[in-house]
Amino acid sequence: GAGVSQSPSNKVTEKGKDVELRCDPISGHTALYWYRQSLGQGLEFLIYFQGNSAPDKSGLPSDRFSAERTGGSVSTLTIQRTQQEDSAVYLCASSLDVKGRYGYTFGSGTRLTVV
Amino acid sequence: AQKITQTQPGMFVQEKEAVTLDCTYDTSDPSYGLFWYKQPSSGEMIFLIYQGSYDQQNATEGRYSLNFQKARKSANLVISASQLGDSAMYFCAMREVEWAGNTPLVFGKGTRLSVIA
Repeated sequence: GAGVSQSPSNKVTEKGKDVELRCDPISGHTALYWYRQSLGQGLEFLIYFQGNSAPDKSGLPSDRFSAERTGGSVSTLTIQRTQQEDSAVYLCASSLDVKGRYGYTFGSGTRLTVV
Repeated sequence: AQKITQTQPGMFVQEKEAVTLDCTYDTSDPSYGLFWYKQPSSGEMIFLIYQGSYDQQNATEGRYSLNFQKARKSANLVISASQLGDSAMYFCAMREVEWAGNTPLVFGKGTRLSVIA
């Protein structure tokens, strides 16, 4: 597609429920990243995928968070047993060349609210 | 320890004037990249400018320029001739390059710029 697509754009869920957030990167982009942005804060790195390599999960805040990327394209971020502190905007980005000067292209984000 | 420090939570600038947004970084890696992003109230993240640690000249992109002072580990963003549409959050970010590959971008906490008519 023309840009990075994320769905849903907004999600309200009850505490304790599981949620899945989807990211469709730009076609041909080999690197895909997930970040979390809490209200008024900077971006917190969660996980990234590069080609067929094992993902870098070093930013995942707990084992309730997991992500996968199927076929080197679409990625799903799953949060199990959601807590109120999980409320944030979850941003996905993709890039053409991890080692280069290319900036990331970000999606519009999924605003998650846990009530 | 913070890898990216943006000390100005908020800045005001008069329309048509220039403004400098500060960013300092911390790394022991000799090879790294520095980025600036703009986030308007709509929430999208817009890539503005990039500076590589080995680049000989300061990066420029239209009205944006990066004042790169390697010895001071600073990478300040300069916006010339500010416009009302420049009002947004601005994030400085760094990527460290390791022998095994790159690390993801690490972002600062951002500076909110308000342009006054």
